[in-house]
Amino acid sequence: DTEVTQTPKHLVMGMTNKKSLKCEQHMGHRAMYWYKQKAKKPPELMFVYSYEKLSINESVPSRFSPECPNSSLLNLHLHALQPEDSALYLCASSQGDRGRPGEKLFFGSGTQLSVL
Amino acid sequence: RKEVEQDPGPFNVPEGATVAFNCTYSNSASQSFFWYRQDCRKEPKLLMSVYSSGNEDGRFTAQLNRASQYISLLIRDSKLSDSATYLCVVNTYTGGGNKLTFGTGTQLKVEL
Repeated sequence: DTEVTQTPKHLVMGMTNKKSLKCEQHMGHRAMYWYKQKAKKPPELMFVYSYEKLSINESVPSRFSPECPNSSLLNLHLHALQPEDSALYLCASSQGDRGRPGEKLFFGSGTQLSVL
Repeated sequence: RKEVEQDPGPFNVPEGATVAFNCTYSNSASQSFFWYRQDCRKEPKLLMSVYSSGNEDGRFTAQLNRASQYISLLIRDSKLSDSATYLCVVNTYTGGGNKLTFGTGTQLKVEL
């Protein structure tokens, strides 16, 4: 079983809805990530939080808004999404050491998002 | 050119076979390298790290050639349970965080 917990597991939303994806880890990891994965494609990096600060934004559209309330939690707020945003959204975390985030990712089981 | 490239396969092999996967990366500043495994409709899971000296974990051997920007994974004595997609992952530390980029993945099917 994964130690990174994502909720909900499935989400269906309309293009005018606002929803949030949640991710939680209690391994003491100091970096957290959002990836997007379309069917038969590899995961694509969206955002990285390192020591609770946004460190990487891969030019993601503003309709996706990440938030890191504390070192254990990571949210992804969704607003005015398009049907092409339908995908599996994966959260991951990695351990930190001496101010530098670890490299080995531990993934949650993902949220399968469908935008109608 | 994609940052991380792999042969997508599928590789269909009989049980007990040896199979090798290759991966190339374009950013010479990349610092660390990994192989992940992803089963159908599941999250990716770390299989092993990859070092220039080569490293082995049971039936799995990984190798890195920095000069050629090339990574390999060898699976010996394939099992049915090895059937999955194998993802090559390259890490570039940007000063603020790790940017881990996944390759396109290679699908392996081990058959009786």
